[in-house]
Amino acid sequence: NAGVMQNPRHLVRRRGQEARLRCSPVKGHSHVYWYRQLPEEGLKFMVYLQKENIIDESGMPKERFSAEFPKEGPSILRIQQVVRGDSAAYFCASSPFAAGDNTGNTIYFGEGSWLTVV
Amino acid sequence: GDSVTQMEGPVTLSEEAFLTINCTYTATGYPSLFWYVQYPGEGLQLLLKATKADDKGSNKGFEATYRKETTSFHLEKGSVQVSDSAVYFCALSTSGYALNFGKGTSLLVTP
Repeated sequence: NAGVMQNPRHLVRRRGQEARLRCSPVKGHSHVYWYRQLPEEGLKFMVYLQKENIIDESGMPKERFSAEFPKEGPSILRIQQVVRGDSAAYFCASSPFAAGDNTGNTIYFGEGSWLTVV
Repeated sequence: GDSVTQMEGPVTLSEEAFLTINCTYTATGYPSLFWYVQYPGEGLQLLLKATKADDKGSNKGFEATYRKETTSFHLEKGSVQVSDSAVYFCALSTSGYALNFGKGTSLLVTP
């Protein structure tokens, strides 16, 4: 299954460092989504990107977090000056088209990247 | 805001037992409802979905009915197998991509 690939799977950062999480969507998919799962909580939507565009970032924290999906290469979720509260699992998903209400089955999820801030 | 509440796990069942995982939701408007499954070492996969009241989603022997009057979308299977051991997530969406997930319910099926 050449699905959504995320790396690293596990990342440890000290407080104040930067974390970069990478996501390669399914080949041919041009829509990428990032979700975060905090301990003891469900996955929460963060951001929706198309190639070179941010479509919806309503779930992104206002500071320190950014995401990009360049024309070439993987999507990157960047967290600057990490704090302990950023420790979570970050899931990436992709779809070939914009996912509407009736096309939920086209969203494919990766296995997640676990960030631990010490 | 929109939210999903699902029963706490872990749920342990013997093979061939009946499964119910409860899911209730709170939403403005008319969301679509989903069940996702995560097998060990894999990403989340869509299991089934329903887009309007009284719709029944079904797949691989699993079923769930969109109940608007009780704001519920309970997952059921008549006879579970060891291979069904996984974490199950209930979710809702009004946009199709901004999915709102529950915390997940771990299911372990023993032979």
